[in-house]
This record gives sequence, C-alpha cells and structure tokens, in this order.
Amino acid sequence: AQTVTQSQPEMSVQEAETVTLSCTYDTSENNYYLFWYKQPPSRQMILVIRQEAYKQQNATENRFSVNFQKAAKSFSLKISDSQLGDTAMYFCAFMARKTSYDKVIFGPGTSLSVIP
Amino acid sequence: NAGVMQNPRHLVRRRGQEARLRCSPMKGHSHVYWYRQLPEEGLKFMVYLQKENIIDESGMPKERFSAEFPKEGPSILRIQQVVRGDSAAYFCASSQVGDTQYFGPGTRLTVL
Repeated sequence: AQTVTQSQPEMSVQEAETVTLSCTYDTSENNYYLFWYKQPPSRQMILVIRQEAYKQQNATENRFSVNFQKAAKSFSLKISDSQLGDTAMYFCAFMARKTSYDKVIFGPGTSLSVIP
Repeated sequence: NAGVMQNPRHLVRRRGQEARLRCSPMKGHSHVYWYRQLPEEGLKFMVYLQKENIIDESGMPKERFSAEFPKEGPSILRIQQVVRGDSAAYFCASSQVGDTQYFGPGTRLTVL
C-alpha cells in the first residue's frame, strides 16, 4: 500500500522569503503522479503542481517548484517570494498511473503561515 | 469550462436525518471520486464511480453510506441516519481516466 508522509505539521515564513515543504512517500509502483494541493481558509482544494514520475525534470509553476528525488522517494515543494495569499494547508499526494485509475493518497498536511 | 460543482456548500442535519450531497463533474470528465476530510486531518478516499457504476467503494463505511452516479444528473453521496461523527467536509473530484483529479469546493456537513 502507498503512504505519504509530511513531517512538518506547521511552518511559517516571512513575506517575500522562500520556504520548502517536505514530503516523502512509499510505493512499489514505478509509474505514478505526485501532486501538491493547497487548501486555503476557504477550504477549496487547489492543485498547485503536478510531477510525473517518469520525467526527470522537476516541475515548476511560477513561484512554485518541486525537488523530485525518485530514488529517495522524496517530493518537496519550494515556494519562492512568499505572499500572504500563500497562507494555507498544503497536502502532498500520490496517485499510481494506471490505464484504469487509482485513488489519490494524501499526506496529513502542512499548515503554512506567511507573516507580513 | 466550469469546474467541479458541489451543493450544498453547507448542510446542517440533526442526528437521525438523511444527508444528500451532490456533485457535478467537470465537462468531459466521466470519473467521480468522493473524499472525506475530518477536522484537522487530510482527505481520505471514500468511493470512485463512473456513470451508472461503482468501481471502488473500499473507503466507504459499510452502513448508512451510499453513492450513485446516474446516467443523467449529478453524483449523489447519501448518508442515512447521520451521527455526530459524520460531521466533516466532503469533497468530490472528477477526472478523465487515469489523469489528474480536480476538486470541487466541498460540502461541510454539520450534525447537531
């Protein structure tokens, strides 16, 4: 069974600074997706970034980038130039990539506070 | 292209009543997933449906909970005889086969 671990329950960062959120996972699958979802106080689940395991290049989306280390089963999220609107819960998630489907497995989340 | 729609956004029920949560997937998506988020926790998978079929309900409690995705209309998650422990946020997601799941805004159920 797949598991996703986020070892930092809470983090804070000064506005305009950079912060890195950690995530590790365990799987025997070779082909899968990894995601970071953001959940602001509105409770909406927002996809931040997606990484396909077969791609060696780390995904980037504007101020968000990942450090994907497949051998180490590590998938950290870096937020550059942090903004107040980045304050939210961040969930790391895993999904095996199959021709049919697989459920998304979520980590427990990291609560990020951006301090003015 | 409208996103995943869920209604109601907030639902209050008394113990013993029924709760019905609705989800309309994104246009072009035929796969629907329901997740539950208890307070201070991450999302936990409940059930996966395609049109008129339940594919995987391994995360759904065996009693009182049921889900459907009819040929026409939204997917429905039904909770009968609600108890206080059912209070949670219920999220629906949709996708094309084997692809990224996109989430709706959730329904927050409060059981008094």
